[in-house]
Amino acid sequence: GAVVSQHPSWVICKSGTSVKIECRSLDFQATTMFWYRQFPKQSLMLMATSNEGSKATYEQGVEKDKFLINHASLTLSTLTVTSAHPEDSSFYICSTKPRGTFAGELFFGEGSRLTVL
Amino acid sequence: GQQVMQIPQYQHVQEGEDFTTYCNSSTTLSNIQWYKQRPGGHPVFLIQLVKSGEVKKQKRLTFQFGEAKKNSSLHITATQTTDVGTYFCAESQGAQKLVFGQGTRLTINP
Repeated sequence: GAVVSQHPSWVICKSGTSVKIECRSLDFQATTMFWYRQFPKQSLMLMATSNEGSKATYEQGVEKDKFLINHASLTLSTLTVTSAHPEDSSFYICSTKPRGTFAGELFFGEGSRLTVL
Repeated sequence: GQQVMQIPQYQHVQEGEDFTTYCNSSTTLSNIQWYKQRPGGHPVFLIQLVKSGEVKKQKRLTFQFGEAKKNSSLHITATQTTDVGTYFCAESQGAQKLVFGQGTRLTINP
């Protein structure tokens, strides 16, 4: 089945540094990727929609200058948490589905657990 | 935007007991998807329901979509320890965007 790979699985960084998370679709092309954030024991909250070759669409309340999204190819989207602070510590998960499909399941990456000290 | 409300937030059962989680919306849902997230893991797709009154089964799991397409349920018969995790309902909004319910965390006493 379709596989979405996310890297790194976990990262610990100092406050003020930037962290980049990669999301790759391994066996299909994805024009759209979704980035979710999940705090402990809470639901998944959509942060932004990443579109290949164009600007990402951010959900209300998500700072686009803090969470930089780049979708330069049909198989790779990156999320950069800039100047990370402890409150940004969370589980970040990407998801997507094969290009051209409309309905049906989303495939999720394994997630990246960020801890900001 | 539209939200789906999911209850209960937590459920603890003895192994072998049944389990049900419910999702409700104040407006008509275009479809409903169900996902399972194991502790420390990522969501995994279980099923999608589209039709009014639809019922689908996967072994011990039964999924229902209400006649008015405003509610859905997931029922697990005779739970096993492998059923532990958080179950989320989600609605597709637009082309591919998913909006998740709050999730129901299931824990099981062996």
